[in-house]
Amino acid sequence: QVQLQESGPGQVKPSETLSLTCTVSGGSISSYYWSWIRQPPGKGLEWIGYIFSNGRTNYNPALKSRVTISVDTSKNQLSLKVSSETAADTAVYYCARAKEGDSFMDVWGKGTTVTVSS
Amino acid sequence: SYVLTQPPSVSVAPGKTARITCGGNNIGIKSVHWYQQKPGQAPVLVIYYDNDRPSGIPERFSGSNSGNTATLTINRVEAGDEADYYCQVWDSSGDHPVFGGGTKLTV
Repeated sequence: QVQLQESGPGQVKPSETLSLTCTVSGGSISSYYWSWIRQPPGKGLEWIGYIFSNGRTNYNPALKSRVTISVDTSKNQLSLKVSSETAADTAVYYCARAKEGDSFMDVWGKGTTVTVSS
Repeated sequence: SYVLTQPPSVSVAPGKTARITCGGNNIGIKSVHWYQQKPGQAPVLVIYYDNDRPSGIPERFSGSNSGNTATLTINRVEAGDEADYYCQVWDSSGDHPVFGGGTKLTV
């Protein structure tokens, strides 16, 4: 049973860069799309971007200038970096998996909370 | 970008049928997926490709999709079904997933 586990600093200061990691266990990164999705407190789900196992990426146009997603297949990890953080980036951040050829996410991590505050 | 519209809230009595809608322009030609999110938990896929259920999801959950509206139907609603529900499609023009705003189901 594949499991995803997000990890990160918990809190970042405004203008700093947020770095999160998603560790994939019990399965391979290959042949899947790996998305980052966030949820501000009390609000809905917002897709941030995805990376395919071959390194192809696609980002939410509203965040594209600040976001970088990468994958390390040797460690079975993907990472998310969001620069120039503001309070509006405070959210629970999830990683999620979609099989190649599918348009839905069948496995999600438990999420990690990030607070942007000085 | 493609827009999905959900009612903010739906209330239903235990044992009755809940219907949660998801509106979008000609959504009937797209594949719609539904997620359930309970407080403090990650979303869980409950319906994919309009009306397929992942293993472990009760048969009480079903979906339909036609015209400009997709619907998640929950029969014989239980207290444990109380959650937020999100619809999702794939925006082929931008090549990315799009979520509805979510519906809070109160039992």
